[in-house]
Amino acid sequence: AQSVTQLGSHVSVSEGALVLLRCNYSSSVPPYLFWYVQYPNQGLQLLLKYTSAATLVKGINGFEAEFKKSETSFHLTKPSAHMSDAAEYFCAVKGTGFQKLVFGTGTRLLVSP
Amino acid sequence: DAGVIQSPRHEVTEMGQEVTLRCKPISGHDYLFWYRQTMMRGLELLIYFNNNVPIDDSGMPEDRFSAKMPNASFSTLKIQPSEPRDSAVYFCASSLSSGGAGDTQYFGPGTRLTVL
Repeated sequence: AQSVTQLGSHVSVSEGALVLLRCNYSSSVPPYLFWYVQYPNQGLQLLLKYTSAATLVKGINGFEAEFKKSETSFHLTKPSAHMSDAAEYFCAVKGTGFQKLVFGTGTRLLVSP
Repeated sequence: DAGVIQSPRHEVTEMGQEVTLRCKPISGHDYLFWYRQTMMRGLELLIYFNNNVPIDDSGMPEDRFSAKMPNASFSTLKIQPSEPRDSAVYFCASSLSSGGAGDTQYFGPGTRLTVL
């Protein structure tokens, strides 16, 4: 069975600072990994996904994530936070051939001026 | 493309009433998912369909919940009778199976349900 663990329900950064949101996965098969963002009162929007083509994945809005099999991690980063990045971020995993996404509990990113 | 469309966006009802949530997936997508999001339980998959056929309904909380997909462009999630603990945001998502890559699920804006 697949699962993901997101460390930290809330992360606070200053505008311009590095953003690091942590995600560790557990999967018995090669995983597909996703990061979604949810802005207030909106649905989830795909930021990026790992499908084994490249371990460093670039997404929208300047975000990227690196797949590290040895650490079973898929942390999300952005070099410089903007106020508009304030949202909730979800990591999710899906196994090969399966359609069900398993989501983490989410991390709320707070950006202060 | 208009994306996944859900209606209504907000629903307030009284305990015991029937509630019907609606979803129109992205045209051409062959998978449709219903999720529920609450503060306590996070995002939960309730049920998903492939080519209009329910594949896994193990997440449906109880018999008061039912979902249908009469055609490729429409699905409903019904709660009868509704209870206050059903208050949540319900999301519909759709995806196109590619047979190998990580299929992206596209989410609708959600329906915020409040049961008084």
